[in-house]
Amino acid sequence: AQSVAQPEDQVNVAEGNPLTVKCTYSVSGNPYLFWYVQYPNRGLQFLLKYITGDNLVKGSYGFEAEFNKSQTSFHLKKPSALVSDSALYFCAVRDGGSSNTGKLIFGQGTTLQVKP
Amino acid sequence: DAGVTQSPTHLIKTRGQQVTLRCSPKSGHDTVSWYQQALGQGPQFIFQYYEEEERQRGNFPDRFSGHQFPNYSSELNVNALLLGDSALYLCASSLDYEQYFGPGTRLTVT
Repeated sequence: AQSVAQPEDQVNVAEGNPLTVKCTYSVSGNPYLFWYVQYPNRGLQFLLKYITGDNLVKGSYGFEAEFNKSQTSFHLKKPSALVSDSALYFCAVRDGGSSNTGKLIFGQGTTLQVKP
Repeated sequence: DAGVTQSPTHLIKTRGQQVTLRCSPKSGHDTVSWYQQALGQGPQFIFQYYEEEERQRGNFPDRFSGHQFPNYSSELNVNALLLGDSALYLCASSLDYEQYFGPGTRLTVT
């Protein structure tokens, strides 16, 4: 069965410093991986995805993620954190389906706290 | 272009009652998925509709049912509400690989 793990409940970083939010996955077949962000009392906003191609994926708001097949990881990164990046981040893997179908399996989420 | 919209925003129901939540997908999106997000948890997949049929279903009881209309909008129905059904219910629409989420409906069961 497909699964996703986010080993850190919370990540704290100072504004201006680089940030990393970790994600590891377990899939059978090719992984389709996603990162979403959730602000308080809001739905999930899509940040980026890995389907195939370059291992470094660039997304919205300056975020990027590095796909590592040998370590089965898909860590989210940003070179310089902003206070406004403080939110709840979810890693997800798609299970089954074609390009527009298939369910997402989410990790438990990581709270990112960026301090001024 | 309007994104995914959901109604109502908040809902309070009593145990045993029934509830219907509504979702309008992003323009041009033909697939709608529903997720339940309990407090402090990641979203859990309920089911997915494509071409007005339920294509996939997660590990939820038959009390949870849905429908997709010809205009691709969708409803989620929950019967015989339990206290444990209190959660944020998220609708997502997709045309390609990524799913776009609505703001959710916060359901409180008392």
